[in-house]
Amino acid sequence: KAGVTQTPRYLIKTRGQQVTLSCSPISGHRSVSWYQQTPGQGLQFLFEYFSETQRNKGNFPGRFSGRQFSNSRSEMNVSTLELGDSALYLCASSPTDRSSYNSPLHFGNGTRLTVT
Amino acid sequence: GESVGLHLPTLSVQEGDNSIINCAYSNSASDYFIWYKQESGKGPQFIIDIRSNMDKRQGQRVTVLLNKTVKHLSLQIAATQPGDSAVYFCADLYNNNDMRFGAGTRLTVKP
Repeated sequence: KAGVTQTPRYLIKTRGQQVTLSCSPISGHRSVSWYQQTPGQGLQFLFEYFSETQRNKGNFPGRFSGRQFSNSRSEMNVSTLELGDSALYLCASSPTDRSSYNSPLHFGNGTRLTVT
Repeated sequence: GESVGLHLPTLSVQEGDNSIINCAYSNSASDYFIWYKQESGKGPQFIIDIRSNMDKRQGQRVTVLLNKTVKHLSLQIAATQPGDSAVYFCADLYNNNDMRFGAGTRLTVKP
């Protein structure tokens, strides 16, 4: 079974631009979560989608948004990029939503975003 | 506030020795715990998980121990190999919808 696929692997953007990241979950997985990983803050939760609905949202500004399509694929958008948005953005999928036990997240290899 | 974290940011062991990576959590309501391994350039990889109604769970060369009294979680890796070199994260889940990750311990295996 193919793993979680994230595209692109690397992105370089300038301040003020916007960016869209894509995630294809493991086949059959209906939950997709997004995390931001930085050396200083570690892994921080952005949001979770399940069956095209946002189920949970972390403490990030409204510039960060996402959506999920009927095939469970998900996109994340960041508008008006800031230097501090430079990070590794990780997508993770699971078969069910996070209210279920024994449902670990399966991560992709991330998109490395650099904002200059 | 509530948090989950690791005791040591780095750990260095000799190849063949056993490794123990520790994690402390602060929320007594946490009911599901996971260990992840992250190699350079890759996303976190699931290693093993444990529910709060268990004290110990074993996998292939790995054992997770949970001490709810002191809110402590540990990952033991037997016969550590060079391929085990990575950053290890613990994560906990509480309220059925909030998963938090510790800062990570970088394990280095010396040949």
